[in-house]
Amino acid sequence: SQQGEEDPQALSIQEGENATMNCSYKTSINNLQWYRQNSGRGLVHLILIRSNEREKHSGRLRVTLDTSKKSSSLLITASRAADTASYFCATDGRDYNQGGKLIFGQGTELSVKP
Amino acid sequence: DAGVIQSPRHEVTEMGQEVTLRCKPISGHDYLFWYRQTMMRGLELLIYFNNNVPIDDSGMPEDRFSAKMPNASFSTLKIQPSEPRDSAVYFCASRGGRQSTDTQYFGPGTRLTVL
Repeated sequence: SQQGEEDPQALSIQEGENATMNCSYKTSINNLQWYRQNSGRGLVHLILIRSNEREKHSGRLRVTLDTSKKSSSLLITASRAADTASYFCATDGRDYNQGGKLIFGQGTELSVKP
Repeated sequence: DAGVIQSPRHEVTEMGQEVTLRCKPISGHDYLFWYRQTMMRGLELLIYFNNNVPIDDSGMPEDRFSAKMPNASFSTLKIQPSEPRDSAVYFCASRGGRQSTDTQYFGPGTRLTVL
């Protein structure tokens, strides 16, 4: 079963607005990552937050992590039409013997209208 | 660097036929992952290799699926015989380090349609 559950499943906003996507997971983690997938393409790594971090920034991206609630959020500020894509959270397990395999959520489909 | 290369990009086949998907990881990466993506089940890890050795194949759906990595620059995922429910996009990804904090780089995927 999937580790991560994301909401909303789909989000439609206007260019310039902020987009917030949420991810919940079930087991303890070492880190949580966000990936982006453009239509018909592979996934691209966006940002990683470790379990001992609460917030991280990268350009227009802001990620928060609340390990007590087992949840994370991805905020994209000042969205652009080019941000239109699906966004996935991915978690690993605390078992280092797993070789760092990731389990992906179902994704949020973001549509940014110009 | 060309990134992860997958072939073919699209494959249409009839039920019962053998299908072979191919992947060339990024040079120097010693981890290789095979994923399957469907609307119903999302992105699922099928199997992954470390230094050409299969480490975890618990995600492989059934015996019809097999994966090999004969050398560091090539891997195959084979389905024999194929069924309509195998229709999906299959992704290969590679990673250069052991830790989950190391980034996985995905290929463009192979869209498989089994009629």
